[in-house]
Amino acid sequence: AQSVTQLGSHVSVSEGALVLLRCNYSSSVPPYLFWYVQYPNQGLQLLLKYTSAATLVKGINGFEAEFKKSETSFHLTKPSAHMSDAAEYFCAVSRRNGGYQKVTFGTGTKLQVIP
Amino acid sequence: NAGVTQTPKFRVLKTGQSMTLLCAQDMNHEYMYWYRQDPGMGLRLIHYSVGEGTTAKGEVPDGYNVSRLKKQNFLLGLESAAPSQTSVYFCASSVRGYEQYFGPGTRLTVT
Repeated sequence: AQSVTQLGSHVSVSEGALVLLRCNYSSSVPPYLFWYVQYPNQGLQLLLKYTSAATLVKGINGFEAEFKKSETSFHLTKPSAHMSDAAEYFCAVSRRNGGYQKVTFGTGTKLQVIP
Repeated sequence: NAGVTQTPKFRVLKTGQSMTLLCAQDMNHEYMYWYRQDPGMGLRLIHYSVGEGTTAKGEVPDGYNVSRLKKQNFLLGLESAAPSQTSVYFCASSVRGYEQYFGPGTRLTVT
C-alpha cells in the first residue's frame, strides 16, 4: 500500500520568508514523487518530480524538493516567498500496482503569504 | 496544443437528473482519470482508463459511469444526480501514469 501525508493543511509565511511544505510517503517500493500547485479556480499544475535520479529536484517558480529515503520525506521548499506563491500544494506518489502506475495524492496544504 | 479541456465549466442539476462531463486531451496520452475535489479531502479518484476501450474503478466510483471510446476522450456520467455529488470534477491525463496534466475543472452543484 502507499499513502501520502501532508503535515499542516494551512501554512502562513511572510513575504520573503522561507517556505517549507512537508510531505511524507509510505511505499513498499521506490516511488516516483511529485508536487503540484493549484491556484484558485484552476486545475493542478506540475511543480516538480522525483524519478530516482538526483535527490534534490528543482522545479518551476524557484521551488525545490529533496527526496530523503531514510526519512521517507519529500518536503517542498522555496527560499523566499512571493505573494504569487499563495495557492494550494499537493504532494503525490506514484508506483507500479499490478498492470498500471497508481498515483495517490495528499490532502493538500494551503499556503498563505502575508505582506 | 490545448492540453486537457473539460466541458462544461459549470452546471447545476436537480436531484435525479443525469448529465455527462466530457474530457478531451490532445497529447496522445494513454492514461486518463476523473477526480472529484471536496474541501479538506484532496483529490479522490473516481474512475480511470489505461487505454482506449478500457476503464476501471477508482476510490469513489459509486454513482458514476465512464466510457473511453476514443483515445482522446474520457466521459464521466451521472445517471441520477444526488446532492452528495456536488463537487469540483477534474479530468487528467498522463503518459503511462507518471506526471499528470489536469483540465480546468467542472463545478457541479446538485440541488
